[in-house]
Amino acid sequence: DAGVTQSPTHLIKTRGQHVTLRCSPISGHKSVSWYQQVLGQGPQFIFQYYEKEERGRGNFPDRFSARQFPNYSSELNVNALLLGDSALYLCASSRARTEAFFGQGTRLTVV
Amino acid sequence: GIQVEQSPPDLILQEGANSTLRCNFSDSVNNLQWFHQNPWGQLINLFYIPSGTKQNGRLSATTVATERYSLLYISSSQTTDSGVYFCAANFGNEKLTFGTGTRLTIIP
Repeated sequence: DAGVTQSPTHLIKTRGQHVTLRCSPISGHKSVSWYQQVLGQGPQFIFQYYEKEERGRGNFPDRFSARQFPNYSSELNVNALLLGDSALYLCASSRARTEAFFGQGTRLTVV
Repeated sequence: GIQVEQSPPDLILQEGANSTLRCNFSDSVNNLQWFHQNPWGQLINLFYIPSGTKQNGRLSATTVATERYSLLYISSSQTTDSGVYFCAANFGNEKLTFGTGTRLTIIP
């Protein structure tokens, strides 16, 4: 069975641009969460979606948004990119409130 | 606020040595997971262990929920065990709260 897949794996954007990151969960998993990991720190929670509804939001500005599609895949959108948005973005999937499994991440560099 | 703390932050060991990594958490947990982050950034699941003890080969983990800590044991360390180890806890909401990690370096 395929694990959690994320695309793209690497991305370079310019300050002020917009970016969309994509995530496909493990088959049968209806919950998708997004995390941001900056160098030297643990991942920080951004959003969680279950059955296409937002179930949790971390302490991130409104420039960050997400959505979940009927097939349970998800997109994370970030507007007006700042240098500080450079990070590894991780997607996790799970059945409801059970063990989470992570994708390989998208490494975003903002220049 | 809710906190997850890991110790030690860094650990350097000779190949073949044993190690114990600790994770303290500030509130009751619904679930607790241990991960190994590989050099490319992917989080590899080691244990899902809200309570009790589990073993998988040279690795084992124990969570004492009533005392709010979890331990990860690595025996007979190998160079491939090097990397950053994270514990992450779910406190009844929808997110995992991660610790700051333990960077383990195994020297041949």
